[in-house]
Amino acid sequence: GQQVMQIPQYQHVQEGEDFTTYCNSSTTLSNIQWYKQRPGGHPVFLIQLVKSGEVKKQKRLTFQFGEAKKNSSLHITATQTTDVGTYFCAADDMRFGAGTRLTVKP
Amino acid sequence: EADIYQTPRYLVIGTGKKITLECSQTMGHDKMYWYQQDPGMELHLIHYSYGVNSTEKGDLSSESTVSRIRTEHFPLTLESARPSHTSQYLCASRGYEQFFGPGTRLTVL
Repeated sequence: GQQVMQIPQYQHVQEGEDFTTYCNSSTTLSNIQWYKQRPGGHPVFLIQLVKSGEVKKQKRLTFQFGEAKKNSSLHITATQTTDVGTYFCAADDMRFGAGTRLTVKP
Repeated sequence: EADIYQTPRYLVIGTGKKITLECSQTMGHDKMYWYQQDPGMELHLIHYSYGVNSTEKGDLSSESTVSRIRTEHFPLTLESARPSHTSQYLCASRGYEQFFGPGTRLTVL
């Protein structure tokens, strides 16, 4: 199946700093989904992007889908300790990226 | 909260045993998935189904089987458990978004 590459693998930030994780595919995607998994929990759906160049916002989170529908990003503005967890992207055949583990220092 | 259930939640068994992990959802979703995930690591797709009598292999399917006789039920069977199978197994179903079950944490001694 298609492979989705996600970077970085880990990100450690000071509370209040911004955070971005990126997903890249070698093939054009129909859609991409983003999930958050808290330590000890299961992945929870955040959003789905479908349209080329689409940008969606959820409070401090901004999601983008590239014009070619081969890449996507999740940006968190002014991180908080509640943002701690692993953020995954998933391609339209539900294969997940490796995830970016975010830790936030108070 | 999504209505997707997995049993058992925890299982400790010996090598060579045959086990079945249960997964049920009440949302009427056609698409269902099984993933294997070690703590803090990536999710590996084991099997998936797009409806009754439809099953497909994922990336880690060689040592397990699934069935989809009813829309709501998607059990995963390991014919002969080995220590390398020790992991968390997550079931999911998908409508517009994908909902995950709470997982089964399997330990094979």
